[in-house]
Amino acid sequence: GQSLEQPSEVTAVEGAIVQINCTYQTSGFYGLSWYQQHDGGAPTFLSYNGLDGLEETGRFSSFLSRSDSYGYLLLQELQMKDSASYFCAVSPYGNNRLAFGKGNQVVVIP
Amino acid sequence: NAGVTQTPKFQVLKTGQSMTLQCAQDMNHNSMYWYRQDPGMGLRLIYYSASEGTTDKGEVPNGYNVSRLNKREFSLRLESAAPSQTSVYFCASTDGRTDYNEQFFGPGTRLTVL
Repeated sequence: GQSLEQPSEVTAVEGAIVQINCTYQTSGFYGLSWYQQHDGGAPTFLSYNGLDGLEETGRFSSFLSRSDSYGYLLLQELQMKDSASYFCAVSPYGNNRLAFGKGNQVVVIP
Repeated sequence: NAGVTQTPKFQVLKTGQSMTLQCAQDMNHNSMYWYRQDPGMGLRLIYYSASEGTTDKGEVPNGYNVSRLNKREFSLRLESAAPSQTSVYFCASTDGRTDYNEQFFGPGTRLTVL
C-alpha cells in the first residue's frame, strides 16, 4: 500500500522561500505529483516528477529521490496568492489511481 | 469547456436520508473518481471508474455506491446518510494516458448530515 507523510502548516512572509517535504512508503509507483488547493476550492495539478531530480516550473520547483523515498516542493518568491494547502500524491503501478498525502498548509503574510 | 461539474454545491441531510451526488465531465476522459475530504485527512478515495462500465472500491467505500452512467457521468449515492459522512466530496477525472495521471477536480459538494 501507500503511505505519504507531510508536515502540517508553515507561515512565511511575502518574497520568502518555503520547502514542503513529502516522505512516502509505497511498493512501486510512476512518480510524485503535487496539487494546490485554495481554501474552499478544488485541488489543481502543480507538477510531476517521474524521474529523480529537480523539475522547475516558474516560481515552483519539485524534487524526487526514489532511493530516499522523499520529495519536496519549493515555493520561491512567495506571493499572497500562494496561501493554500499543498498535497503530494503518488501514482502506483498497476492502476491509474492517486494516493494523496494529508497536505501542508502554507500561510503567506505581508 | 466546463471541465468537471458537480451538483449540488451544498446539501444538508438528516440521518437515514438518501441522496445522489452528480458529477459530469466534458473532456472525454476515461477515468473518474470520487473523493471525500475531511479536515486534516487529505483526500481519500471512495470509488473510482477506470473506464466506462467499470467501477472499483477505493480506500473508504463503506456506506456509498456509485454508477458510471456513461463516459461523461459518474454518480455517488448515499443510501442511508450518517453524521460520519459529513464531508466535502470531490469528483475528479483523467484521461489516464500519462504516467502522471493529472486529475481534474470539480468544485466539490459540501454535505452536512445531522
